[in-house]
Amino acid sequence: EDQVTQSPEALRLQEGESSSLNCSYTVSGLRGLFWYRQDPGKGPEFLFTLYSAGEEKEKERLKATLTKKESFLHITAPKPEDSATYLCAVQALGGGSNYKLTFGKGTLLTVNP
Amino acid sequence: SAVISQKPSRDICQRGTSLTIQCQVDSQVTMMFWYRQQPGQSLTLIATANQGSEATYESGFVIDKFPISRPNLTFSTLTVSNMSPEDSSIYLCSVVQHEQYFGPGTRLTVT
Repeated sequence: EDQVTQSPEALRLQEGESSSLNCSYTVSGLRGLFWYRQDPGKGPEFLFTLYSAGEEKEKERLKATLTKKESFLHITAPKPEDSATYLCAVQALGGGSNYKLTFGKGTLLTVNP
Repeated sequence: SAVISQKPSRDICQRGTSLTIQCQVDSQVTMMFWYRQQPGQSLTLIATANQGSEATYESGFVIDKFPISRPNLTFSTLTVSNMSPEDSSIYLCSVVQHEQYFGPGTRLTVT
């Protein structure tokens, strides 16, 4: 069974204080690893897809990296508007639901001004 | 990216009743999904709804409880039947258009 574990559950940073969120996963074969941002009362907003170990993607203050067992979402010099829950999900190769995403519980990030 | 809307955005329902949630997409998509997000839990796939075929349900979810319709390539409905307080959750539809995008969700409270 595919599993995704995110840590920490919650993270509080000061504005400008860089940090990383972790996503550990077990999957029979990885098709892709996804990062989403979710604001309160809204649906998840797509951020990145990573497909293979060693791959990195960047968007503004966010950079996602991938190894064979985990992914990191690095946040550089965060601002209060980066406050949100960050969700990690994996998609396995094959299977009946080819686009099924298995999600972690998320990391609640709070950035204080 | 696809623009997805859901109706209603929230509702409070009595146990034993049913609620139908609508999902509308601004472009034609082949694959549509329904997820559930319970408090403190991960987003969980309920079923995959492809136009022209029966919905495919994940383990733990059954058609009698969560009937789904997919009449065309831009619209789907999910019905939560014979509701109990345990059905209180956020229900989200999702589509694949190169990447997988989510609607704003429907927050359901069952009393």
